[in-house]
Amino acid sequence: DSGVTQTPKHLITATGQRVTLRCSPRSGDLSVYWYQQSLDQGLQFLIQYYNGEERAKGNILERFSAQQFPDLHSELNLSSLELGDSALYFCASSVGLGEDTGELFFGEGSRLTVL
Amino acid sequence: GQQVMQIPQYQHVQEGEDFTTYCNSSTTLSNIQWYKQRPGGHPVFLIQLVKSGEVKKQKRLTFQFGEAKKNSSLHITATQTTDVGTYFCAGLGDRSGGSNYKLTFGKGTLLTVNP
Repeated sequence: DSGVTQTPKHLITATGQRVTLRCSPRSGDLSVYWYQQSLDQGLQFLIQYYNGEERAKGNILERFSAQQFPDLHSELNLSSLELGDSALYFCASSVGLGEDTGELFFGEGSRLTVL
Repeated sequence: GQQVMQIPQYQHVQEGEDFTTYCNSSTTLSNIQWYKQRPGGHPVFLIQLVKSGEVKKQKRLTFQFGEAKKNSSLHITATQTTDVGTYFCAGLGDRSGGSNYKLTFGKGTLLTVNP
């Protein structure tokens, strides 16, 4: 158990819909990361938050948005869903930032299927 | 921007054979991390290398960080079926490379082991 909690574990929805994925980081970790993993693909970095502020952006689509709340949990919002958005979405957390990032602790992921 | 290339993409071995995966960064790294993702699982941190030329061992796994801090390798001696999974490297760019401590994952090497 990494200490990172993601909900829901599985989600099936239709094209055009909107979903919200939730992540609770490991206790004490201030950084939260979101990654997308499609079939046979690596880990595509989406976005990073540190203590409530956005710190880095990857290849995140404009249809996607995220935030980190004062209690440090984070949500990833995916809207106007397309078939290609079907993937495993991982949340990860770490203690620090920048040079003090440390190891990332990954949640078990949220598997999104868009039909 | 910073790119991290990892080869090979796939490797199939007979149980007992050795395995090596290589990671190369386009910019100098502050450190490099390695993760393992079992089939159906989430990435799990294995190790972090920080110093130029550093070599670390974990039982049958040997991790190396290049002298120029731009490349790394993971070598598994006498593979076992429990080694099956995808191995990812993740490089933390340093400030001199312009990547400002951004963590970039390689695409991973999927290792399968024939018993």
